[in-house]
Amino acid sequence: QQQVKQSPQSLIVQKGGISIINCAYENTAFDYFPWYQQFPGKGPALLIAIRPDVSEKKEGRFTISFNKSAKQFSLHIMDSQPGDSATYFCAARGGTSYDKVIFGPGTSLSVIP
Amino acid sequence: EAQVTQNPRYLITVTGKKLTVTCSQNMNHEYMSWYRQDPGLGLRQIYYSMNVEVTDKGDVPEGYKVSRKEKRNFPLILESPSPNQTSLYFCASSLLGQPYEQYFGPGTRLTVT
Repeated sequence: QQQVKQSPQSLIVQKGGISIINCAYENTAFDYFPWYQQFPGKGPALLIAIRPDVSEKKEGRFTISFNKSAKQFSLHIMDSQPGDSATYFCAARGGTSYDKVIFGPGTSLSVIP
Repeated sequence: EAQVTQNPRYLITVTGKKLTVTCSQNMNHEYMSWYRQDPGLGLRQIYYSMNVEVTDKGDVPEGYKVSRKEKRNFPLILESPSPNQTSLYFCASSLLGQPYEQYFGPGTRLTVT
């Protein structure tokens, strides 16, 4: 129940298209849901985050949608660009400890011209 | 520049030869953490620390040690490395109570033969 599930494992999107990555969790004690972006050869970097009392958060071309009743959340990347090609991790804070973050397995996104 | 640094970036070693990976941050963060990243498994926490002399096990602590003698440094020690510890390792830091907003180092690629 400390797991965060993520799909798809990999995703190929044409430039200008919408990239959608989905995550799900079981533990209702999770209280903060960040997304991290990782470029090859780099460490992950915080991209955007949401609390469960908010259904949607938008920052530029990136939007998190949150469905508390379904225990699911997703990342939408609008007008996807080749520069968005990276690995994306969803994550959740809380559960057995509010000092920890549980990461999903990651989605490798490739945006092709 | 605010950053987390790790050394070395790449390391090839043999089974049983003790090694230390250093981590340092210049943001005066109380919280520091070590993760390992493996394909399909995402980021798994090894150990974390909420302050000097305060450390706790993460999800995969077996075979690792840490110490926190100074606020800025959090070295990872493998006393007797084994091939199953071949992985990509990341150090991260954040303000206390905000592990969802961690700053990651560039990673250390470790190969144990």
